[in-house]
Amino acid sequence: ILNVEQSPQSLHVQEGDSTNFTCSFPSSNFYALHWYRWETAKSPEALFVMTLNGDEKKKGRISATLNTKEGYSYLYIKGSQPEDSATYLCAFIYNQGGKLIFGQGTELSVKP
Amino acid sequence: EAGVVQSPRYKIIEKKQPVAFWCNPISGHNTLYWYRQNLGQGPELLIRYENEEAVDDSQLPKDRFSAERLKGVDSTLKIQPAELGDSAVYLCASSILSGRFQFFGPGTRLTVL
Repeated sequence: ILNVEQSPQSLHVQEGDSTNFTCSFPSSNFYALHWYRWETAKSPEALFVMTLNGDEKKKGRISATLNTKEGYSYLYIKGSQPEDSATYLCAFIYNQGGKLIFGQGTELSVKP
Repeated sequence: EAGVVQSPRYKIIEKKQPVAFWCNPISGHNTLYWYRQNLGQGPELLIRYENEEAVDDSQLPKDRFSAERLKGVDSTLKIQPAELGDSAVYLCASSILSGRFQFFGPGTRLTVL
């Protein structure tokens, strides 16, 4: 059974704080890892697609790293803003054309 | 470019009633996915289509769930009869090809009373 774990499950921070979440996945048969942001009442929005060990991707204040050998990815948010409040999902693909296996998400709440 | 469209956005029904969800994927996307997200969990794949063909329906509860994708474009997902445990968000997604980036619709939140 392929299992993708995210931690923490929820996070409450103040505006301006930097934060990070973890996504753990099986290290064998890795194909790709996706990060999504899902705001309430909206569609999940793709943030990053990561495929290579050591990948680092950045989009504004959000960045992500990937370690396929040990099976984890970190998502960082620098200087959190209230508009960053959302559930952040990671999803693992273990072979080309395979399905996304999602973690349970990290729910981030940023207070002004 | 229009995104993935789903309807309805919300649906409340009583148990044992039928319900159907509709999805219009992004134009040109050959692969279409239906996911179910239960509270506190990540989305789980129910069925994946390559054009008209269902290529992965291993997680679809076939006794009560059915899906179709006529002409390889729009898709419908049906539950008959609905049970209390079917309350969830049902997400549709599409991609150009399997394994590529997926674009999601806003989902249908189903409540079964």
